[in-house]
Amino acid sequence: EAGVAQSPRYKIIEKRQSVAFWCNPISGHATLYWYQQILGQGPKLLIQFQNNGVVDDSQLPKDRFSAERLKGVDSTLKIQPAKLEDSAVYLCASSLWGGGEETQYFGPGTRLLVL
Amino acid sequence: GQQLNQSPQSMFIQEGEDVSMNCTSSSIFNTWLWYKQDPGEGPVLLIALYKAGELTSNGRLTAQFGITRKDSFLNISASIPSDVGIYFCAGLYNQGGKLIFGQGTELSVKP
Repeated sequence: EAGVAQSPRYKIIEKRQSVAFWCNPISGHATLYWYQQILGQGPKLLIQFQNNGVVDDSQLPKDRFSAERLKGVDSTLKIQPAKLEDSAVYLCASSLWGGGEETQYFGPGTRLLVL
Repeated sequence: GQQLNQSPQSMFIQEGEDVSMNCTSSSIFNTWLWYKQDPGEGPVLLIALYKAGELTSNGRLTAQFGITRKDSFLNISASIPSDVGIYFCAGLYNQGGKLIFGQGTELSVKP
């Protein structure tokens, strides 16, 4: 079974530029999560989708971050414009239906460096 | 908001030694999870705990859900070089809620 796919794996941009990350969850998984992991910290949830609807985006900085999951499968996360403090690993995860006791499967992440 | 304090922050041990790490919170959680993250990869679930007092093993790993529901610990017995990585605890208050992660414990094992 294929895991969660993410691209690109690495990205270096200058501040004020825009960037987009892509995630393809495990086939059949209804729930998709985007996490931000700053160096030396644990992942922090940015947004959770159930199919193509947003369940929780309370920690998403909506002035510069946006995410969509139009057809309930793939998802993109965009930052526009980027700031230095956005340098982090952006992890995508998916789970079967989003129940609390369910396993979330994580992708390898996209490492973003903002200069 | 809810926060998890994980300790120690890092550990350097000799192959064959046992390891213990723990996680505490000021809030209660109804589910505790332990993940391992290898360099350049996403976290992978090791053990899930669903009931206060529960003790669960997965090979050389043993984890316990504290009776107060505010803490959990993970033990690794007879460590081997492939145990190297960052171990995260994570807490979940209710079904469908968001996972709260600790800061991680970085484990180094010297052959």
